Amino acid sequence: GENVEQHPSTLSVQEGDSAVIKCTYSDSASNYFPWYKQELGKGPQLIIDIRSNVGEKKDQRIAVTLNKTAKHFSLHITETQPEDSAVYFCAGGNTGTASKLTFGTGTRLQVTL
Amino acid sequence: GAVVSQHPSRVICKSGTSVKIECRSLDFQATTMFWYRQFPKQSLMLMATSNEGSKATYEQGVEKDKFLINHASLTLSTLTVTSAHPEDSSFYICSASPLAGPTREQYFGPGTRLTVT
Repeated sequence: GENVEQHPSTLSVQEGDSAVIKCTYSDSASNYFPWYKQELGKGPQLIIDIRSNVGEKKDQRIAVTLNKTAKHFSLHITETQPEDSAVYFCAGGNTGTASKLTFGTGTRLQVTL
Repeated sequence: GAVVSQHPSRVICKSGTSVKIECRSLDFQATTMFWYRQFPKQSLMLMATSNEGSKATYEQGVEKDKFLINHASLTLSTLTVTSAHPEDSSFYICSASPLAGPTREQYFGPGTRLTVT
């Protein structure tokens, strides 16, 4: 089955700086890679996703890149703000019949003033 | 759009009793709903996948007789933890995948914190 690795486990940046979180996956059949933000005591919130037919996707301060050959994808947050502080999870899956997602281990992002 | 609710948000029950958690997609129909379990400071662990009108598919190691899942309609799935024990205490989260379109995104509910005493 799919195995998704994520790093770093914790990341501290100053407000206004950029943050990058990286993930690798093992199953070449995976074609869907969402990113979720989870605040304490809440469910994960889908913030951006990318499919394997695209190499990069951007939504305001958030961007995701995908390298299918190397089987890795990254989340980039620019101009970080304190409200970006949360745990971020990457995930990989296939949009076929099962649609299951395999999650990374999470990155705790702390944006300091 | 794409709002998923869970009820209750918190529940405390005594060992040996059963607890039912509801997951509803409020503004879309869901072909598939997923149930996850999350321990403190850990990732999400998929427990089972449920499709409306059919039996749930459980992940390896998850006891289907202990965690009963019913996907009664395209907007409602329930998870019943039967004969709960303290080790079942956890954060249970559901997600729903929309019926329409090829996207297959999963939208998560706010989670249910179960404490078994």
